[in-house]
Amino acid sequence: KAGVTQTPRYLIKTRGQQVTLSCSPISGHRSVSWYQQTPGQGLQFLFEYFSETQRNKGNFPGRFSGRQFSNSRSEMNVSTLELGDSALYLCASSQGLAGGQETQYFGPGTRLLVL
Amino acid sequence: AQRVTQPEKLLSVFKGAPVELKCNYSYSGSPELFWYVQYSRQRLQLLLRHISRESIKGFTADLNKGETSFHLKKPFAQEEDSAMYYCALSSSSNTGKLIFGQGTTLQVKP
Repeated sequence: KAGVTQTPRYLIKTRGQQVTLSCSPISGHRSVSWYQQTPGQGLQFLFEYFSETQRNKGNFPGRFSGRQFSNSRSEMNVSTLELGDSALYLCASSQGLAGGQETQYFGPGTRLLVL
Repeated sequence: AQRVTQPEKLLSVFKGAPVELKCNYSYSGSPELFWYVQYSRQRLQLLLRHISRESIKGFTADLNKGETSFHLKKPFAQEEDSAMYYCALSSSSNTGKLIFGQGTTLQVKP
């Protein structure tokens, strides 16, 4: 099966702009989780979507949002970008089975630089 | 609060030496513990998880609930083991969320 794909791979934006990142999960996987990776904070959970519904959310401001489509593809949006939003954004997919302790499979990430 | 701690940022060993990457967690329930690895210029990938009790690439990890630890071990390090290693925890009460440690860079010298 093809792995998790993310587009674009690199983005440069300026403060105040907004950005949309896309994630295509492994075929058959219905859960998509998003993470932010920075040198200072490490890997932090943003949110998780399953069957087009947000099931879980991390401690990020409302500027960070997401959605999931009927084909399980997911997008995340960051509005009013700040310099501190510069990071590698990772998405991960899993089957989304009840109990929630599944292996997550990661994409290559989108590297966002905010100037 | 659920937390994962990897006390070493960098672990440097010589080829053929034993390796132990430490991971401690705090969680009151029954967690699922994972080790993920990120090789240079590659994506984060699963190395092993405690429930499968497998040995992958010679690595093993034992969940010690008394000490709340899940240390990763390998008896003889290889140069190709050089990578960033992350310990992660998931729980049934926190669907879809992995809590990661800060990661340990393993450097295996020839």
